[in-house]
Amino acid sequence: GESVGLHLPTLSVQEGDNSIINCAYSNSASDYFIWYKQESGKGPQFIIDIRSNMDKRQGQRVTVLLNKTVKHLSLQIAATQPGDSAVYFCAENRLMDSSYKLIFGSGTRLLVRP
Amino acid sequence: DTEVTQTPKHLVMGMTNKKSLKCEQHMGHRAMYWYKQKAKKPPELMFVYSYEKLSINESVPSRFSPECPNSSLLNLHLHALQPEDSALYLCASSQEGGSSYEQYFGPGTRLTVT
Repeated sequence: GESVGLHLPTLSVQEGDNSIINCAYSNSASDYFIWYKQESGKGPQFIIDIRSNMDKRQGQRVTVLLNKTVKHLSLQIAATQPGDSAVYFCAENRLMDSSYKLIFGSGTRLLVRP
Repeated sequence: DTEVTQTPKHLVMGMTNKKSLKCEQHMGHRAMYWYKQKAKKPPELMFVYSYEKLSINESVPSRFSPECPNSSLLNLHLHALQPEDSALYLCASSQEGGSSYEQYFGPGTRLTVT
């Protein structure tokens, strides 16, 4: 079936380095994607979103890239900090049965080494 | 105010108990959601309310009963739960239920069924 998935379940980076978290999706009709950060014991926190009419969107220290040709999404975090340690989910807002539903990927745990 | 609040934070209940989870937002959002999240898994959609009407029920067992008393409040009534229902229950809201509106999540209620 169609899904949103991540390539790496765990990513360990050195503090100060850049992090790249990848996500693949299979529904080519999806037109809106979101990255969430979830810290232990908390709910998912919105980081950044991107619509399908864009290839790139930048926020504060974060960049999302969308490659519609290969149905790939990535989140880049510049100068990774200890506070960035969390699980990151990509999510696809997909039209299903006449309603929009947020479909989450399996998640990547980011560990930042001091 | 971009906060979604949930009470209680933790709940332990027996299989014969009846309890309720509560969610509140004051962002003027017209769509509200219940998700269930098991450990090390992504959130899974349970229910969607749009303009105080149930628009999506993801084939959730009837022992979970949602209620939307008004546009700011969302409840989840629990009755005769099973131990496998133990999970983090997340509430979320968005401006509308359409394709390009980010969902804001609450901190969740950690439910343990004994």
